[in-house]
Amino acid sequence: RKEVEQDPGPFNVPEGATVAFNCTYSNSASQSFFWYRQDCRKEPKLLMSVYSSGNEDGRFTAQLNRASQYISLLIRDSKLSDSATYLCVVTYYSSASKIIFGSGTRLSIRP
Amino acid sequence: DTEVTQTPKHLVMGMTNKKSLKCEQHMGHRAMYWYKQKAKKPPELMFVYSYEKLSINESVPSRFSPECPNSSLLNLHLHALQPEDSALYLCASSQDLRGTKNIQYFGAGTRLSVL
Repeated sequence: RKEVEQDPGPFNVPEGATVAFNCTYSNSASQSFFWYRQDCRKEPKLLMSVYSSGNEDGRFTAQLNRASQYISLLIRDSKLSDSATYLCVVTYYSSASKIIFGSGTRLSIRP
Repeated sequence: DTEVTQTPKHLVMGMTNKKSLKCEQHMGHRAMYWYKQKAKKPPELMFVYSYEKLSINESVPSRFSPECPNSSLLNLHLHALQPEDSALYLCASSQDLRGTKNIQYFGAGTRLSVL
C-alpha cells in the first residue's frame, strides 16, 4: 500500500460544478498536510495548508480527518482556471523524516 | 512569481559531462529541498538541508551530489548521469522543517536532458 494515495482522476466537470478530492495516508504519525496545485510544465504552488479544524479560502475548503487518516479538498463554483493537477503532501518528522507527495489528481473544467 | 530562483532553466548534457544546478532564495528560509519530477508523475524528494546540514537523503545515487554553501544557496552537482535522469529538477525552500513553518515554496525548475 502506498503511504499517500489520491483519487486517480482525471475529473472532467462543467464550469460551475462542485468537485471534491480525497487523499489518504497510512502513517498515523503524520504531522503536516498540504494541497498544492501544479499547472502543466510549471512548478507546484501551495493552495492550502490543511488543519483538523478545517480551513476555507474563497471557493476552496480543505479538511483533515485524523481518525480516518484522510484529507479532502472541495472546490465550489469551479472555474476554467481551476484546471490543473492537485497534489496532496503529507509530512512527518521522527527518526525517519518523510515528505510525501500523492500521485496527483488531474482536474479539467469544461465550458 | 516564485521567490525561489533556479538556474539554468534548461540544460542538455552528455553522460560524461559535469554540470551544476543552482537554487537561491532570499526569504530567510532555513530548509531547502531538491526534487526530481518525471512527466505525469509527482515530485520525488531527493535531498533536504536544514540549517545548512543535510537532513534527508532519499537514497539518491552518488552521481547526484548536493551542496549547501550558505543558508540562501543550494547546488546540485551532476556527474556521469544516465539518460533516465532526464527530468524536471525542482528546488524548494521553507522557513523550517517542522510544524507550521514547513510550507514549501518551489522554484520554476531546471529541465534537464541527458544525451
